[in-house]
Amino acid sequence: DAGVIQSPRHEVTEMGQEVTLRCKPISGHDYLFWYRQTMMRGLELLIYFNNNVPIDDSGMPEDRFSAKMPNASFSTLKIQPSEPRDSAVYFCASTNDGIEAFFGQGTRLTVV
Amino acid sequence: GEDVEQSLFLSVREGDSSVINCTYTDSSSTYLYWYKQEPGAGLQLLTYIFSNMDMKQDQRLTVLLNKKDKHLSLRIADTQTGDSAIYFCAERDPSQGGSYIPTFGRGTSLIVHP
Repeated sequence: DAGVIQSPRHEVTEMGQEVTLRCKPISGHDYLFWYRQTMMRGLELLIYFNNNVPIDDSGMPEDRFSAKMPNASFSTLKIQPSEPRDSAVYFCASTNDGIEAFFGQGTRLTVV
Repeated sequence: GEDVEQSLFLSVREGDSSVINCTYTDSSSTYLYWYKQEPGAGLQLLTYIFSNMDMKQDQRLTVLLNKKDKHLSLRIADTQTGDSAIYFCAERDPSQGGSYIPTFGRGTSLIVHP
């Protein structure tokens, strides 16, 4: 398996634009997590899914953020409209055995 | 305060031992983890320990758990420049309905200099 795949690796966008981050979890994993990493706040859990169903989105900062998982092999995190303070590295992770979470390479988002 | 706390930076000389410390708040945590993040990459599980263990050793890595003080440490023997990375402590909170929800600390940046 190629691991958790995220795209794009880098995204630069202007304030006010819509941004969509994508994630393909490892096949067979039934949990998917979205994290945001910044210098100020460290690693924050935004939302997680179990069997494609959102379980806890209490970490989503604002209504501008939304996440979907239409099927077991794909998830998106959307920011609309984007703001400079959304600049961060966004990670997707998946797991099935409850022991190890496998992380993607991350998407570095810069909002100017 | 944060659920998992770590110091932000540690600097060591190549060949010395590194000790990264972590404190956590949830006494019911069943698993405690150390993840490693290299520059430009995602986190990777380095090692983990069950809460009923005091120590776990894996080659150059030694994990010590003090449940009474809720203190976890990672010792890296003979630290190499390739060990330079951010190390995250994490706990699994079983109160989340049995789901696997890791709670991460902010990470300790280990800097190894010659």
